[in-house]
Amino acid sequence: GAGVSQSPSNKVTEKGKDVELRCDPISGHTALYWYRQSLGQGLEFLIYFQGNSAPDKSGLPSDRFSAERTGGSVSTLTIQRTQQEDSAVYLCASSPRGGGNNEQFFGPGTRLTVL
Amino acid sequence: AQSVTQLDSHVSVSEGTPVLLRCNYSSSYSPSLFWYVQHPNKGLQLLLKYTSAATLVKGINGFEAEFKKSETSFHLTKPSAHMSDAAEYFCVVTVGDTGNQFYFGTGTSLTVIP
Repeated sequence: GAGVSQSPSNKVTEKGKDVELRCDPISGHTALYWYRQSLGQGLEFLIYFQGNSAPDKSGLPSDRFSAERTGGSVSTLTIQRTQQEDSAVYLCASSPRGGGNNEQFFGPGTRLTVL
Repeated sequence: AQSVTQLDSHVSVSEGTPVLLRCNYSSSYSPSLFWYVQHPNKGLQLLLKYTSAATLVKGINGFEAEFKKSETSFHLTKPSAHMSDAAEYFCVVTVGDTGNQFYFGTGTSLTVIP
């Protein structure tokens, strides 16, 4: 079956511009996660959606970052006024349900480069 | 607070020899622990997970890991390395079944020498 998909696969933007990154989770998965992977670093948790509950936004690094999930499915991560330090690979993952015992299924990521 | 430390950023082994990738964790609660693998230009894939059942966990592709609470370790092993094992490996901890946040280590890059 279809896995988690993300678009675009690569995004190059200029400092100060806004970008939107999209994630399509596996159908039926209620939990969705966004992570950031910087060069030489592990994955940094950004935000977590579970069903209709309020998202856990505790990992968002600044108020320039926001995310939404429409209809419990597709999610969009928005970065406003991008900075060079935002350059990273942004990964999305979904899980059949939330909670620490459940496997996350990862998308291929979006590589963001801010010039 | 939860965190993981992967003790080696890079490990190099010869094909057919054992693999050991080390991971130590810190957790205030009963942890769930995972190993994920990331092959070049591919998404992260679950290798195995520990969720308070058997302390020796077997995963895919011949990998296994042992949860040692006294040592706060969850090292990943494989008896015989294969060329296809070359990849980046991440150790991950979260807080039991209620965990929302998954804490990733910085990764260990495994090179397999023919």
